Amino acid sequence: NAGVTQTPKFQVLKTGQSMTLQCAQDMNHEYMSWYRQDPGMGLRLIHYSVGAGITDQGEVPNGYNVSRSTTEDFPLRLLSAAPSQTSVYFCASRPTQGSRSPLHFGNGTRLTVT
Amino acid sequence: QKEVEQDPGPLSVPEGAIVSLNCTYSNSAFQYFMWYRQYSRKGPELLMYTYSSGNKEDGRFTAQVDKSSKYISLFIRDSQPSDSATYLCAMSASYGNNRLAFGKGNQVVVIP
Repeated sequence: NAGVTQTPKFQVLKTGQSMTLQCAQDMNHEYMSWYRQDPGMGLRLIHYSVGAGITDQGEVPNGYNVSRSTTEDFPLRLLSAAPSQTSVYFCASRPTQGSRSPLHFGNGTRLTVT
Repeated sequence: QKEVEQDPGPLSVPEGAIVSLNCTYSNSAFQYFMWYRQYSRKGPELLMYTYSSGNKEDGRFTAQVDKSSKYISLFIRDSQPSDSATYLCAMSASYGNNRLAFGKGNQVVVIP
């Protein structure tokens, strides 16, 4: 049981490039989310999804797009990378909305935008 | 003012000492309080989960919530080098809320 898998682990982009951060979970969790973690800022919610075809914005959604075509996958797209998007990105999942179960986090993607 | 305040300054303690961490918050609607532990280059993992005011104990870990003061604490007794990690508090207003509010995290180093 792999849990939450994020790829790639590391990425360097130039300003203006686009890319997709991948997140997959094999626990059949309905709820999935993306956070970014910055020094001195803590974890901030970017987007989340409560099921296939349903997404919503979090605290810091600008510059990011998401889609949820399957239960397992929740990719995060950076449309035009900016240095301010240099961060560590975490994907997290939980069985259902309103569930007592904790969030399961992946091990992160470390993104540098130059 | 951020909803959740947590002093991130690194904390170094000798092995066997008691570690004391705390968070304050401003949103009186918060009822569910969590502590996550994050090892270097890993994702956070849930350590403790409490509802409303009171204490909860799990082995060497004790979580306390004082809703009247909007203050939560985590105590680690008999600290071990393996406890060296960043500890993040998190809270929400409702059960399984989709929007957890996290503190900045507190780095703890336990020196053998």
